[in-house]
Amino acid sequence: AQKITQTQPGMFVQEKEAVTLDCTYDTSDQSYGLFWYKQPSSGEMIFLIYQGSYDEQNATEGRYSLNFQKARKSANLVISASQLGDSAMYFCAMREYEDNFNKFYFGSGTKLNVKP
Amino acid sequence: DTEVTQTPKHLVMGMTNKKSLKCEQHMGHRAMYWYKQKAKKPPELMFVYSYEKLSINESVPSRFSPECPNSSLLNLHLHALQPEDSALYLCATSHIENTGELFFGEGSRLTVL
Repeated sequence: AQKITQTQPGMFVQEKEAVTLDCTYDTSDQSYGLFWYKQPSSGEMIFLIYQGSYDEQNATEGRYSLNFQKARKSANLVISASQLGDSAMYFCAMREYEDNFNKFYFGSGTKLNVKP
Repeated sequence: DTEVTQTPKHLVMGMTNKKSLKCEQHMGHRAMYWYKQKAKKPPELMFVYSYEKLSINESVPSRFSPECPNSSLLNLHLHALQPEDSALYLCATSHIENTGELFFGEGSRLTVL
């Protein structure tokens, strides 16, 4: 089974509007971490936001927030007030601890296009 | 500024060449990773080093040879590559413990002719 599922290959959003990128995950671990990364066309993977499995509050970082619904195993990224510079690929990822080190699983990504 | 530095940024090589990709980190992380990423796809794990020892080799062909000379350096030696090996190669680091995120370098974009 897929560890991380991102069902939106591509999304469009109007500049200054909010957008939600979907992510569901599959794990039987109690302790895990969830992440979102942004990858512009330059290729660098930029860390955006982190949610720990025991965190009760949704994580927020500036215009980014993570809508964490543990029972549904979802970790959606919300970007408020979209900017043209937000156009990029976005990857959801999960960290599990196996065999004494961290293993990271990535979703297939969502290509976000912000329209002026 | 990224704390994980990869060189070279771009590399073009023929199928008979031998080259190396280098990664240097100053974050004190004891887990280091090589990922391969094709266009519009997620990163695929190739190798994981834990305390400078190879912990995971995800069935990568032997024409890719990793090396971790010390806790700050990670190399990927390339020999007799195929055109389908053209991709973005990403180095990343993380804590060994169950905490923290992956920190990526900017990547090395490899073209095999």
